[in-house]
Amino acid sequence: DIVMTQSPATLSVSPGERVTLSCRASQSVSSNLAWYQQKPGQAPRLLIYDASTRATGVPARFSGGGSGTEFTLTISSLQPDDFAVYSCQQYKNWPPWTFGHGTKVELK
Amino acid sequence: EVLLVESGGGLVKPGGSLRLSCAASGLAFRSSSMNWVRQAPGKGLEWVSSISSSSSYIYYADSVKGRFTISRDNANQSVFLQMNSLRGEDTAVYYCASGDYDDPFDHWGQGALVTVSS
Repeated sequence: DIVMTQSPATLSVSPGERVTLSCRASQSVSSNLAWYQQKPGQAPRLLIYDASTRATGVPARFSGGGSGTEFTLTISSLQPDDFAVYSCQQYKNWPPWTFGHGTKVELK
Repeated sequence: EVLLVESGGGLVKPGGSLRLSCAASGLAFRSSSMNWVRQAPGKGLEWVSSISSSSSYIYYADSVKGRFTISRDNANQSVFLQMNSLRGEDTAVYYCASGDYDDPFDHWGQGALVTVSS
């Protein structure tokens, strides 16, 4: 099974800051990598797929990069609505489809 | 607008059974694979099971294999998760999500809470 490792576990930031989250796969997943945003009490929301393509309606301040085993999610200027947990998922080698444990972006 | 609505969650004793349902609208259900993903309290997302559009291909996580059964009714645009021999570690919010096997999970339901406790 492919293990997805996210870092850091928690990121304390201020609105307006640039934020970069990391996701590492235990073996290559090519570009079959998605990022999800989840707010408390809500379902996950697809943000980025194929490593760098924004899903419908996702603001341009969100961008994804990387391929193979190393991936990043960048928020260019953090907005108050962006405080949430961000999880990565690989859909290259399945089953199982595997997720990272998430990075919580919290208010500094 | 795509809408996925789960139902059937609740409190059940260890060893008991529960059946989750997910009603879909606004998507090409007959041609979509469907998935169940769970999230234990304070934990990350864990894939549980997937079923292809025609039910020809079905997959389970090792943690639920032999205890859970996924099925679907294309005529009524619904997917189900029959959960037997439930354990405390099955306590979680269960989400249904659409998405083919080589694609991300693009739409998610609001989730159904399953609590396994005596």
